Amino acid sequence: NAGVMQNPRHLVRRRGQEARLRCSPMKGHSHVYWYRQLPEEGLKFMVYLQKENIIDESGMPKERFSAEFPKEGPSILRIQQVVRGDSAAYFCASSTSGMDIHLYNEQFFGPGTRLTVL
Amino acid sequence: AQSVAQPEDQVNVAEGNPLTVKCTYSVSGNPYLFWYVQYPNRGLQFLLKYITGDNLVKGSYGFEAEFNKSQTSFHLKKPSALVSDSALYFCAVILNTGFQKLVFGTGTRLLVSP
Repeated sequence: NAGVMQNPRHLVRRRGQEARLRCSPMKGHSHVYWYRQLPEEGLKFMVYLQKENIIDESGMPKERFSAEFPKEGPSILRIQQVVRGDSAAYFCASSTSGMDIHLYNEQFFGPGTRLTVL
Repeated sequence: AQSVAQPEDQVNVAEGNPLTVKCTYSVSGNPYLFWYVQYPNRGLQFLLKYITGDNLVKGSYGFEAEFNKSQTSFHLKKPSALVSDSALYFCAVILNTGFQKLVFGTGTRLLVSP
């Protein structure tokens, strides 16, 4: 059973370009979370999605960032008009469910995409 | 705001010695606490969690953590460190927002010398 897959592993963009980060959750997982890790910092929650729905995007910048998790295919984190401050590692995690805090289902993390903005 | 703090940026320990990586929490209500480990260029791996029950939680790779309510701490421990334990360790808490949103500490780098 393959784990959470993310691609590309490394992405280099020039300022103003678009970055598309992909995440394929583990088989059977329908809940996806995106986190960002800035240099020398911990991971910060960005967005939580279920299939075709954004459940919580409170950690996502209001402009230039968007996320989707279509019925078919991977979850996509899209960053438009990238700036140097977007350089970071972006991690995706998936779980079997996510709504009941009392029935914690482990979040399995992917290897991350390291975005470098020149 | 609910959060966790890891007061040490780095912990150095010799192989075979016991190790402790510290974590304190600040949450309202019952905390749901976790430890994750990150190896270079890899994603995070789950080590252990405290939801309810025994204060001493055992996890993967021989690690354990002790939940201490009076000191609001959840320190990670291992009786005998291995060089291969060298990695970045993150403490995390789930916010009681109705879904499982992890809030991470800033991480502690563990270096185990031969």
